[in-house]
Amino acid sequence: GNSVTQMEGPVTLSEEAFLTINCTYTATGYPSLFWYVQYPGEGLQLLLKATKADDKGSNKGFEATYRKETTSFHLEKGSVQVSDSAVYFCALSDPYGSEKLVFGKGTKLTVNP
Amino acid sequence: NAGVMQNPRHLVRRRGQEARLRCSPMKGHSHVYWYRQLPEEGLKFMVYLQKENIIDESGMPKERFSAEFPKEGPSILRIQQVVRGDSAAYFCASSPLQAGTEAFFGQGTRLTVV
Repeated sequence: GNSVTQMEGPVTLSEEAFLTINCTYTATGYPSLFWYVQYPGEGLQLLLKATKADDKGSNKGFEATYRKETTSFHLEKGSVQVSDSAVYFCALSDPYGSEKLVFGKGTKLTVNP
Repeated sequence: NAGVMQNPRHLVRRRGQEARLRCSPMKGHSHVYWYRQLPEEGLKFMVYLQKENIIDESGMPKERFSAEFPKEGPSILRIQQVVRGDSAAYFCASSPLQAGTEAFFGQGTRLTVV
């Protein structure tokens, strides 16, 4: 079945540090790939997405590239801010049927001043 | 345009009671998805509904759980005879098309069973 594996947290960084959160997936067909962010006590917000191989999604300084050959969609940001502290979820869409989302377990990021 | 509204935000139930979780989709959205987030886990799909129809319930536990999305009013996720293992955050997402990937999420209902 479809699955998403993302790096275990928590991740703690200093402000302006470089961020990478690894995400790999297993899927039949050609899913779309997503990163969602969840701030404390809130619901999920779509951060970025990519719908086909070699697409790069980007938003708010975050980037991720859909790598079909390595089945990966790693999240990167060149310089994190305290306000980026949140839980980040990698997800894929089920390309058949209802297009429900399959999520990784999430990675908690804390950015210290 | 108001976002996806879920209520209540927090719900406490004793074992054996019923829990009803409500989700009002965004205006113009006729597709609703329910997800459950257990502590320290990612979100798990439960059910996908359109108005008056259950399209995909492959993630729903076989017993005690049911969902509906009537022609009028919010979508309801109902849990009968709750047990401690039902304690979780339940999120609803809505979309205008069968494109769950473009879904917008509500803030969730945090159910605690005592």
